[in-house]
Amino acid sequence: AQSVTQLDSHVSVSEGTPVLLRCNYSSSYSPSLFWYVQHPNKGLQLLLKYTSAATLVKGINGFEAEFKKSETSFHLTKPSAHMSDAAEYFCVVSDTGRRALTFGSGTRLQVQP
Amino acid sequence: GAVVSQHPSRVICKSGTSVKIECRSLDFQATTMFWYRQFPKQSLMLMATSNEGSKATYEQGVEKDKFLINHASLTLSTLTVTSAHPEDSSFYICSARDFPGTLNYGYTFGSGTRLTVV
Repeated sequence: AQSVTQLDSHVSVSEGTPVLLRCNYSSSYSPSLFWYVQHPNKGLQLLLKYTSAATLVKGINGFEAEFKKSETSFHLTKPSAHMSDAAEYFCVVSDTGRRALTFGSGTRLQVQP
Repeated sequence: GAVVSQHPSRVICKSGTSVKIECRSLDFQATTMFWYRQFPKQSLMLMATSNEGSKATYEQGVEKDKFLINHASLTLSTLTVTSAHPEDSSFYICSARDFPGTLNYGYTFGSGTRLTVV
């Protein structure tokens, strides 16, 4: 079985400060891990994905995430938040045994001016 | 990159009527499509998995006779909400998966459909 835990339901940062969105996963197989962003009433946009290559993954819009197997974590970071980053972020896992994606509960990122 | 087109983006229907949502892969062939449902301020929950040319696999608790899924071709999957009721109001999102080993291999999401049943 696979599962994802997003440790914070809400994160608020000031514009220009770093962003950290935390995610822990559980998977019976070698997982693929993803971060998606969703703006209000919109679909999902892929930020980045890890598929057993480099453990530090760089994505779009300055986001990156590091896969840490020993900690079963895949935290999302960005050095400097922008107002346009305000959205809902989902950490997602897929393993080779189950093709569908399992979503975390989401983290709402607020960016204060 | 890979694009999945989902229509309609919004639909309002009366109780008791049926609504069809389409999901098309525009520049790749999708062997598998997934349908998710998202309630307000909640995460996405997988409803069913469909493979081209075969019956869909529904998740536990999802009524297959209410949520009819058809995946007749490698580029089109449809979800029909039959005899819709207000509690079916939700945001529905499809996702398509390409062939393993191809350049687009991964998961691509449609833009979602906001269904409101009145």
